[in-house]
Amino acid sequence: AQSVTQLGSHVSVSEGALVLLRCNYSSSVPPYLFWYVQYPNQGLQLLLKYTTGATLVKGINGFEAEFKKSETSFHLTKPSAHMSDAAEYFCAVSRGSSASKIIFGSGTRLSIRP
Amino acid sequence: GAGVSQSPSNKVTEKGKDVELRCDPISGHTALYWYRQSLGQGLEFLIYFQGNSAPDKSGLPSDRFSAERTGGSVSTLTIQRTQQEDSAVYLCASKLSQGTDQPQHFGDGTRLSIL
Repeated sequence: AQSVTQLGSHVSVSEGALVLLRCNYSSSVPPYLFWYVQYPNQGLQLLLKYTTGATLVKGINGFEAEFKKSETSFHLTKPSAHMSDAAEYFCAVSRGSSASKIIFGSGTRLSIRP
Repeated sequence: GAGVSQSPSNKVTEKGKDVELRCDPISGHTALYWYRQSLGQGLEFLIYFQGNSAPDKSGLPSDRFSAERTGGSVSTLTIQRTQQEDSAVYLCASKLSQGTDQPQHFGDGTRLSIL
């Protein structure tokens, strides 16, 4: 079975500060990992994904995430927060097989303080 | 190009009524998913369509929920005899293929409110 755990349902940082959103997964096979962002009243938008190869993945809007197999983690970071980054962020995992579903974490709401 | 389109964007209905939610996936995408997102919650998988294969209905919460996908394109999610706990945002996503490295593309959702 696979699962995704996002630590912290709500994270608040100051504008210009480092953003760190945590995601840990469990999977019995090599996972494919995703981060999505959801702005108010919108659907989810892909930020970045890890499939194979380089473990540090760069995405849109200055975000990046690093796949650490030894820690079963895929934390999302951004060096300097911007007010426009305020949104809900979801980590997701899919199995490296023909499985149909991807499993989403419960989400982390990011707030940016002026 | 056009993204995933969902309609209506908002739906308010009385308890006990039936509702139909529509999803137009991205052209050429063979995989289609329905999710439910309740207030402050994550995404709850409902159903998955892949090409002409039998759909994966394992996430449907009760027999009041059903979905179909006609011609491998447009999908309709139907909720019969709606209950107040059905109030949520229903999100549709499509994917180019069943490959697990492919990202999903989401619509903006239908916000369903049951009075």
